[in-house]
Amino acid sequence: NAGVTQTPKFQVLKTGQSMTLQCAQDMNHEYMSWYRQDPGMGLRLIHYSVGAGITDQGEVPNGYNVSRSTTEDFPLRLLSAAPSQTSVYFCASSYWAGGPYEQYFGPGTRLTVT
Amino acid sequence: GQQVMQIPQYQHVQEGEDFTTYCNSSTTLSNIQWYKQRPGGHPVFLIQLVKSGEVKKQKRLTFQFGEAKKNSSLHITATQTTDVGTYFCAGPETSGSRLTFGEGTQLTVNP
Repeated sequence: NAGVTQTPKFQVLKTGQSMTLQCAQDMNHEYMSWYRQDPGMGLRLIHYSVGAGITDQGEVPNGYNVSRSTTEDFPLRLLSAAPSQTSVYFCASSYWAGGPYEQYFGPGTRLTVT
Repeated sequence: GQQVMQIPQYQHVQEGEDFTTYCNSSTTLSNIQWYKQRPGGHPVFLIQLVKSGEVKKQKRLTFQFGEAKKNSSLHITATQTTDVGTYFCAGPETSGSRLTFGEGTQLTVNP
């Protein structure tokens, strides 16, 4: 099993550009989520999904869109990149049993917006 | 909304000293999870506690879940340089779907 994979590993964008961060898992997990990590601020939840076709907002959803058309994939779209979105982005997945349990994290995408 | 707070934010210890990080939630949690993130890496799951008052041990690590299910602690006995990293607690609200992380405690160990 590859676990949770994320692409790209690094990305530099100019202000106003859009892009999609890819996330895929091969563990048949129902629950998937996106976090951003900034120095001294821990992991902040952007969006999450409890199954295909179901998504919901986390703490910091503004400027990001998600969709969940399959169990395996959960892409994160930046609509119009801003310097405030410079961060490390982690995708995670887990089983769902009425709540999110042990999270498996991907290796992360380091995004810089200039 | 739910807030999960961790203290201290940073902790520097000499190798062999003990270390404790504390986690407090503004709401009752259905479970508490602990993760470790090595510098430059991604968070890795350590353990999950579900029951009120639960205590679990993993070698030199002891995890506790408070009676009210709103706080938790991680204690490391006799730290080693391999313990270096940031330790996060995380928990969903009871009947909640969101998993909220604390800000983490960054541990450095001087050999």
